[in-house]
Amino acid sequence: DGGITQSPKYLFRKEGQNVTLSCEQNLNHDAMYWYRQDPGQGLRLIYYSQIVNDFQKGDIAEGYSVSREKKESFPLTVTSAQKNPTAFYLCASSVFDRSNEKLFFGSGTQLSVL
Amino acid sequence: AQTVTQSQPEMSVQEAETVTLSCTYDTSESDYYLFWYKQPPSRQMILVIRQEAYKQQNATENRFSVNFQKAAKSFSLKISDSQLGDAAMYFCAFKNRDDKIIFGKGTRLHILP
Repeated sequence: DGGITQSPKYLFRKEGQNVTLSCEQNLNHDAMYWYRQDPGQGLRLIYYSQIVNDFQKGDIAEGYSVSREKKESFPLTVTSAQKNPTAFYLCASSVFDRSNEKLFFGSGTQLSVL
Repeated sequence: AQTVTQSQPEMSVQEAETVTLSCTYDTSESDYYLFWYKQPPSRQMILVIRQEAYKQQNATENRFSVNFQKAAKSFSLKISDSQLGDAAMYFCAFKNRDDKIIFGKGTRLHILP
């Protein structure tokens, strides 16, 4: 079955530590996205990528980094510079199809600080 | 910069009744997409309905329909015959021609039995 896989489901970060959230899709989608969701809040865009080896900052990119070395993969690193990383992180992908435009979402990663 | 505003943090509706969730957006572009997504307690995001800005006809999906007013930059969601399973957070989203997709803060919908 095609879809988006995020791992791990739960992740804990220690002070000063970098952690990486995985996002893999087998939908052959061109665009991929990372969103952050805080309790009771909407989704805020961190980074997005339209093609391999290219990505754009979203509205809250500070303290995060990404890479897009393969079409299927778009990992997100939460760096030590991100002072308030506790949140639910959602990865999504989209295909460039004017007649069927939509986002496909993974099941999310809950990141907490120890 | 584009923005999406959902002015109703929470709403309640009696089962079997109709409810309308509001969404407004700001953009200078003429070609874009608008979406409504549902997020139940499982936190899985589910597409409810999609609207292409170049289409004047309002999109419908079974009990869900939209009122798209392009000039007013308004995109409201109407849920008819509300069911208990409709209880969730609902997010309005906007996609521009650069593929940037932004979301509103959401409306929590309660269904009263």
